[in-house]
Amino acid sequence: QQQVKQSPQSLIVQKGGISIINCAYENTAFDYFPWYQQFPGKGPALLIAIRPDVSEKKEGRFTISFNKSAKQFSLHIMDSQPGDSATYFCAASKDAGNNRKLIWGLGTSLAVNP
Amino acid sequence: GAGVSQSPSNKVTEKGKDVELRCDPISGHTALYWYRQRLGQGLEFLIYFQGNSAPDKSGLPSDRFSAERTGESVSTLTIQRTQQEDSAVYLCASSIGLAGSSTDTQYFGPGTRLTVL
Repeated sequence: QQQVKQSPQSLIVQKGGISIINCAYENTAFDYFPWYQQFPGKGPALLIAIRPDVSEKKEGRFTISFNKSAKQFSLHIMDSQPGDSATYFCAASKDAGNNRKLIWGLGTSLAVNP
Repeated sequence: GAGVSQSPSNKVTEKGKDVELRCDPISGHTALYWYRQRLGQGLEFLIYFQGNSAPDKSGLPSDRFSAERTGESVSTLTIQRTQQEDSAVYLCASSIGLAGSSTDTQYFGPGTRLTVL
């Protein structure tokens, strides 16, 4: 059973457009929701993260929207650029002492056309 | 400073052979995680180390998988009698290991791509 469901699987956006990726989770104990960006041949890198006590977090062109009651969160990439072409993963973790193992979505392959 | 490093970057082995994968975490990071990424899939948690505490091995898929970490340094993931379904990218991540912190960022290495023929 996939604890974190991510959609769409792939996304094509024109340069300057808005990219939107959605995730839904089941476990209400999750209290940390990061988004990671992964380029081919590289490990994932943290892009932006949110905790459930806020509904939105913005860093530059990247925004996370969080809906606690719906158990959903999304990543918005404004003014998408070809350099944003990568695979994006949402993830979640819960408080287990120091152990912050991440539960991952299956990823979204984003292609931004020039 | 240096990030998380992993070696080898690629490993091709024959079914039934044992393999050992290495992870060098960021200096000073007490927490270390291993994840597996199968082709076109998300990451699966394998094992977690925190200082000298007992590791969380709950993600290891079978007893053919084991991992060790000495103190807060290098970790090795060993897969015995490899099977074709073990083919994947094995990723290591480290974090400072802040007690009770939800924002303890995990920094990932580039991974080891394992191919079992």
